This record gives sequence, structure tokens and C-alpha cells, in this order.
Amino acid sequence: DAKTTQPNSMESNEEEPVHLPCNHSTISGTDYIHWYRQLPSQGPEYVIHGLTSNVNNRMASLAIAEDRKSSTLILHRATLRDAAVYYCILSPTGNQFYFGTGTSLTVIP
Amino acid sequence: GAVVSQHPSWVICKSGTSVKIECRSLDFQATTMFWYRQFPKQSLMLMATSNEGSKATYEQGVEKDKFLINHASLTLSTLTVTSAHPEDSSFYICSAREPRQGGRETQYFGPGTRLLVL
Repeated sequence: DAKTTQPNSMESNEEEPVHLPCNHSTISGTDYIHWYRQLPSQGPEYVIHGLTSNVNNRMASLAIAEDRKSSTLILHRATLRDAAVYYCILSPTGNQFYFGTGTSLTVIP
Repeated sequence: GAVVSQHPSWVICKSGTSVKIECRSLDFQATTMFWYRQFPKQSLMLMATSNEGSKATYEQGVEKDKFLINHASLTLSTLTVTSAHPEDSSFYICSAREPRQGGRETQYFGPGTRLLVL
């Protein structure tokens, strides 16, 4: 399974944009890039996923590098409710997810 | 997004007893569900893949006789922790794969079940 590398922790000021990076240099052509976030004592929440093109939804944007070896989750305006652990996961469609350690995001009021 | 529920949300049991956890996809049919375990301050660890109408596939190191999985319908998978011991105390989370066209499938997760074995 292709591995991902994320910073252990990041901080952001409230109402500012946040760029959460993920490196995945061994990604294969069939791997989708999935992002989830998890609050304490809750199940992970789906954020966004994509294959090659950048993706936008109401929660976030996903920017995928042209060579697909890295991606960035963009939260356009951080709120206190965005404080969570963010996981970047690679998986061919329909396959299992293997979670890494993720990035713990702290939002500063 | 799609909704996945789990029941119970928390359970306390005595050592040696068995505990059943239910995972339901509420607004879609899921031929495949997954079970994870998460210890404090750690990431989620995949335990097994549950396929409707067939045997579950367990990850390496997960005892299939201890963690019984049944996926009898397209909306329900159950995980039974048999002869539970204190070291089985953990946060158990299920997910369901939502089928989509064009290969854009993804998973939706339940809220988790906190198990404490005394």
C-alpha cells in the first residue's frame, strides 16, 4: 500500500486559510487520494477525495500536484470547529483504507 | 453525505463475556463494510473487511475466532468480540463503502463504539 507523509501538527488562526500537505511519492495510477478528519471520540468524517484533477466541495478544496506525488487540502476559512486530526489516505477505488498518523490541526481564536 | 450508524455507542462488560456491535448504513446499500480499532492517542487500525453474503477478510494479526464478523444484509454488519478481556478495551469504528459510478467510491464511517472490559 502506498504510504503518505503528513506533518504531525499544524496551527492556524481562526478565519484564515489552512493548507494541509500530504506527500505520497509512491502513489500508483489507480490510487485515489482521500481526506478525512476526526474529532476526539468520534468516527472519521469524509472531507474530500480525488484522482488527478483538483476538487472542490462545500467543506474544502483538494489540490493535486501534476505528478500526483503530493496533494494539499485547503480549508478556505478555518473555524474552531475545524480543529481535528486530518488524515490523507491513498486507496484504489473500493479498496481498504490504511490510516497513517495524520495531522493534528489547532485553530487559534 | 451518507450516514452510517453504530450501536451501542458505548458498552461496559465483564471479562470473559461476549459483546456484539452493530453497524448500519442508513441511506445506501453497502456490499462492503470495514471494521477498525483505535487505541488512545493512536490512529485507526483496519481489522477486517466485511462482504455481504460471504466470509470476512481479516488483516494480519487479527484473530478471526475472537472477532466474529457477520454481514447478513446490504445494510448491516456486526462485530462480536468473544470472550472479551481488558486488552480488548478500545474504540471500535465501522465504515461502509458507498457505491458510486465512475470509480469515485468512498467510505463513510460510523460514530464508533467505546468498549470497556472490566
